[in-house]
Amino acid sequence: AQSVTQLDSHVSVSEGTPVLLRCNYSSSYSPSLFWYVQHPNKGLQLLLKYTSAATLVKGINGFEAEFKKSETSFHLTKPSAHMSDAAEYFCVVSPNFGNEKLTFGTGTRLTIIP
Amino acid sequence: KAGVTQTPRYLIKTRGQQVTLSCSPISGHRSVSWYQQTPGQGLQFLFEYFSETQRNKGNFPGRFSGRQFSNSRSEMNVSTLELGDSALYLCASSSGTSRYNEQFFGPGTRLTVL
Repeated sequence: AQSVTQLDSHVSVSEGTPVLLRCNYSSSYSPSLFWYVQHPNKGLQLLLKYTSAATLVKGINGFEAEFKKSETSFHLTKPSAHMSDAAEYFCVVSPNFGNEKLTFGTGTRLTIIP
Repeated sequence: KAGVTQTPRYLIKTRGQQVTLSCSPISGHRSVSWYQQTPGQGLQFLFEYFSETQRNKGNFPGRFSGRQFSNSRSEMNVSTLELGDSALYLCASSSGTSRYNEQFFGPGTRLTVL
């Protein structure tokens, strides 16, 4: 069984300050982990993915995430928030056997304060 | 490459009716997955089709069904609609050959059941 917990349902930061969106996972096996972003009235877009090659993963738009097995965490960070980062962010876990079933976290809504 | 397309984008139905949603994946992708997104339940996996076969299924009642055609296009059908079926239905495609495959999401179909 696998699950993912996003620890904050809503995060507000000022423009230009760092962003931290927290995600903990549970998986019987070594998982694949993803972060997706959803802007209003849009589909989901992949920000980055962890595939066991490197624990620090860099994604698009300046986002990165660090896989910490000992803490079962995969937190998303960005050094400096931009107004266009305002969106809903989903942490996603996928099992390490061949199907494509993804388990989504409940999402974190990121608000950027001008 | 054209992205994932979903039709229609918006749909209004009444209780008891049935509805069919369509998804055209990215060219060359053989896997299509369907998700239901609601404010209360978040993103939930419905099912996944790969090469015209259902490869994985979520925990939804039998009123929810799908199929995939030889060109990888997929349809999802919901019969005997209930008020609780009101949701954003997202389709995602991938090559389907690895757990690391990125899923590309369409913009969704917003279904409202009155």
